[in-house]
Amino acid sequence: GNSVTQMEGPVTLSEEAFLTINCTYTATGYPSLFWYVQYPGEGLQLLLKATKADDKGSNKGFEATYRKETTSFHLEKGSVQVSDSAVYFCALGDNFNKFYFGSGTKLNVKP
Amino acid sequence: DTAVSQTPKYLVTQMGNDKSIKCEQNLGHDTMYWYKQDSKKFLKIMFSYNNKELIINETVPNRFSPKSPDKAHLNLHINSLELGDSAVYFCASSLGLAGVVSADTQYFGPGTRLTVL
Repeated sequence: GNSVTQMEGPVTLSEEAFLTINCTYTATGYPSLFWYVQYPGEGLQLLLKATKADDKGSNKGFEATYRKETTSFHLEKGSVQVSDSAVYFCALGDNFNKFYFGSGTKLNVKP
Repeated sequence: DTAVSQTPKYLVTQMGNDKSIKCEQNLGHDTMYWYKQDSKKFLKIMFSYNNKELIINETVPNRFSPKSPDKAHLNLHINSLELGDSAVYFCASSLGLAGVVSADTQYFGPGTRLTVL
């Protein structure tokens, strides 16, 4: 079956530090992969996506590469800001548009 | 110009009551979803509808009944509320359905925080 595993948080970083949030998946077929961000009290917003192996999704300085050989889609950002503090969700979407979400990773960025 | 909207934002009620949450999307999408997010932030799909037709129905108690009067609306009615129903419920929508080459992005509403006392 399909599932997503992401690193547990919280992750606490200082401003301008490098961020990595690990995400691995198991899937049948050819899923698309997504990162969503949830700010306090809000719904999930799409951060980036990749639809096939070796695709790189990027947005607002965040990026993630769809690695089929390691079944991973790790999220990275070179220099985080306080405004990046949020919960980040890795998700897999199958060909029936059914989504499987990871458990979320809370990021705290301190000034 | 809210893309996916939900009402109410907060809902506090007593055990045993019946309540509804409404969802509307103005994106012209064909598919809508309901998710439940528990206190640990774990997000799980409950239902999906495509053009008013039920597509996904996960193992959700039959006290939960979705209703889609048209493809822009998907409401969630909950009967005989229980303490364990307390959670944040998110509505979402996406452009298409099955048989697509790649999954469509899902757009989420702001959520409804349900508290059952």
